[in-house]
Amino acid sequence: QAVLTQPSSLSASPGASASLTCTLRSGVGVETYRVFWYQQKPGSPPQYLLSYKSDSDKWQGSGVPSRFSGSIDASANAGTLLISGLQSEDEATYYCMIWHSSAWVFGGGTKLTVL
Amino acid sequence: QVHLVESGGALVKPGGSLRLSCEASGFTFSDYYMIWIRQAPEKGLEWISYSSGDSTYTNYADSVKGRFTISRDNAKNSLFLQMDGLRAEDTAVYYCARGLRFFDWLIDYWGQGSLVTVSS
Repeated sequence: QAVLTQPSSLSASPGASASLTCTLRSGVGVETYRVFWYQQKPGSPPQYLLSYKSDSDKWQGSGVPSRFSGSIDASANAGTLLISGLQSEDEATYYCMIWHSSAWVFGGGTKLTVL
Repeated sequence: QVHLVESGGALVKPGGSLRLSCEASGFTFSDYYMIWIRQAPEKGLEWISYSSGDSTYTNYADSVKGRFTISRDNAKNSLFLQMDGLRAEDTAVYYCARGLRFFDWLIDYWGQGSLVTVSS
């Protein structure tokens, strides 16, 4: 079982909100990790968006709009990236990442379509 | 302004070798962990190796352990990845990136990537 699992795709309408989940493997408690989120558009490297550990310990990437935010759902053992007021330019693949067992671990990515 | 530029990607036959380079600028190179991450065509991101600033600590993903070797030359602000025993499944874009140990291991900057194709 992968350490981080993300839905492969998600669609949402312009102006709506999208919630992207990143589920941690059983036994890997989300509360003990900082979850990082990256956005990748075709032909470009990933770009750092934000990270979330708790409401009092979260970082926004430089220049990243506040409509991108993070949270965790401890009951689901998952990190979440919430994008509000969706714009066409938000169409991209989003990856979550954690530092686990002395290595960086990525989720498989969620391709967000805005239509 | 941080800048990472990879080079050395090429078409290589299975079993062959290749050396990737990453030239860094805009920061004190020796102060940072540096990382190689790859992305196979139409696939997700896979961390493959890192080196601490003074090269004391290195680590590799199981998928490349024993075949790939990371190194760096801090005097030349350069990171390298020696890839031996290449396989078709090593075909990917290879990214050089910077890791921040004191920010919970944030990866904050990525290069544009270098394409490695392993095919006969």
